[in-house]
Amino acid sequence: SYVLTQPPSVSVAPGKTARITCGGNNIGSKSVHWYQQKPGQAPVLVIYYDSDRPSGIPERFSGSNSGNTATLTISRVEAGDEADYYCQVWDSSSDHPFCVFGGGTKLTVL
Amino acid sequence: QVQLQESGPGLVKPSETLSLTCAVSGYSISSGYYWGWIRQPPGKGLEWIGSIYHSGSTYYNPSLKSRVTISVDTSKNQFSLKLSSVTAADTAVYYCARDNPTLAMPIDYWGQGTLVTVSS
Repeated sequence: SYVLTQPPSVSVAPGKTARITCGGNNIGSKSVHWYQQKPGQAPVLVIYYDSDRPSGIPERFSGSNSGNTATLTISRVEAGDEADYYCQVWDSSSDHPFCVFGGGTKLTVL
Repeated sequence: QVQLQESGPGLVKPSETLSLTCAVSGYSISSGYYWGWIRQPPGKGLEWIGSIYHSGSTYYNPSLKSRVTISVDTSKNQFSLKLSSVTAADTAVYYCARDNPTLAMPIDYWGQGTLVTVSS
């Protein structure tokens, strides 16, 4: 089955740029979605189809996807960005699409 | 605004069947999209359980497929999850959500989640 690999943790100072990676075999050929989850809350979609932002998500959030790595970039990080972030793809290699999540990355704002 | 709300027992005994329902408001299930279940064990990551279309077409996580049944009731605009032969490993927060496996779409609406504990 398809595997997505994320670093367990990323730390960044306020005002700096955080980059969270999501590795997968030829992930550049898939559509990657990113979710933010704060403690005790349901996940929230922050990036879809590699680089699109839902309404209400700050422009500070951006995404890219190429080769074997997709990246979520958060510019000018704020304390409120501290959360767990998950990447997600649909594995359609068989007749039955299968949703795959990365293991999640805890973003700590120093 | 699409809203989803999970309901069901918060405690299930080992070997029994976990049953949850998700009520959808602000959107008719019959209008499209798939409707799915995702779970998250305490302190761990997200795991997709499966999804259903209003026609009844389903996709399941292969690792859970033998124990999972997802059904839909369009008249009540809700869908349900049944997970049989549960063990402590099935203890998790269960989320219902809107997705679309066939078009690789994002999971754009989530319920608030409900904690189900498996314990005698």
